[in-house]
Amino acid sequence: KAGVTQTPRYLIKTRGQQVTLSCSPISGHRSVSWYQQTPGQGLQFLFEYFSETQRNKGNFPGRFSGRQFSNSRSEMNVSTLELGDSALYLCASSRSRGLRMNTEAFFGQGTRLTVV
Amino acid sequence: GQQLNQSPQSMFIQEGEDVSMNCTSSSIFNTWLWYKQEPGEGPVLLIALYKAGELTSNGRLTAQFGITRKDSFLNISASIPSDVGIYFCAGQLQETSGSRLTFGEGTQLTVNP
Repeated sequence: KAGVTQTPRYLIKTRGQQVTLSCSPISGHRSVSWYQQTPGQGLQFLFEYFSETQRNKGNFPGRFSGRQFSNSRSEMNVSTLELGDSALYLCASSRSRGLRMNTEAFFGQGTRLTVV
Repeated sequence: GQQLNQSPQSMFIQEGEDVSMNCTSSSIFNTWLWYKQEPGEGPVLLIALYKAGELTSNGRLTAQFGITRKDSFLNISASIPSDVGIYFCAGQLQETSGSRLTFGEGTQLTVNP
């Protein structure tokens, strides 16, 4: 069974540009969450998508957005990139049939974004 | 918002020693998860805990879900060099937060052969 796949693995962008990252969850998993990992802030929750709807959102500016497709694949977009957006962006998938169901989250290898 | 305090921040041990790390929260969770992350990789799930008081083992790893639902610990017995990495605890409160995880700051483990 394939794990969570994130593309690309590495990305270098210039300030002011925008970027789109992709995540393919484990087959059968309907929930996809995105996290930002930096040395200073650790792992911070960005947002979660379930059945193509954003179910939860972290405390990030509107420049960070995402979406989920009918096949559960998800993309996140960061517009007007800033130097501080340099981070490892991680995607996690879980089966999550709904609220009140405890399910495990499995992570991809991440996309390392460097903004110069 | 919810915060997790994980300790210790780092540990330097000799191969064969046992290791213990823990997380405490200001809020309750109904799931605790423990992950290990190695350089350049995403976190890998080690143990999941779903009930207060639950004690679960995975090989040399043992984790417990605290009775108050505000804490959890992870023990590693007879450490080996491949245990090196950063260990994270994560809490989840599904009723209000879906699959959202709140992470601790991590424990950097170094094992000297």
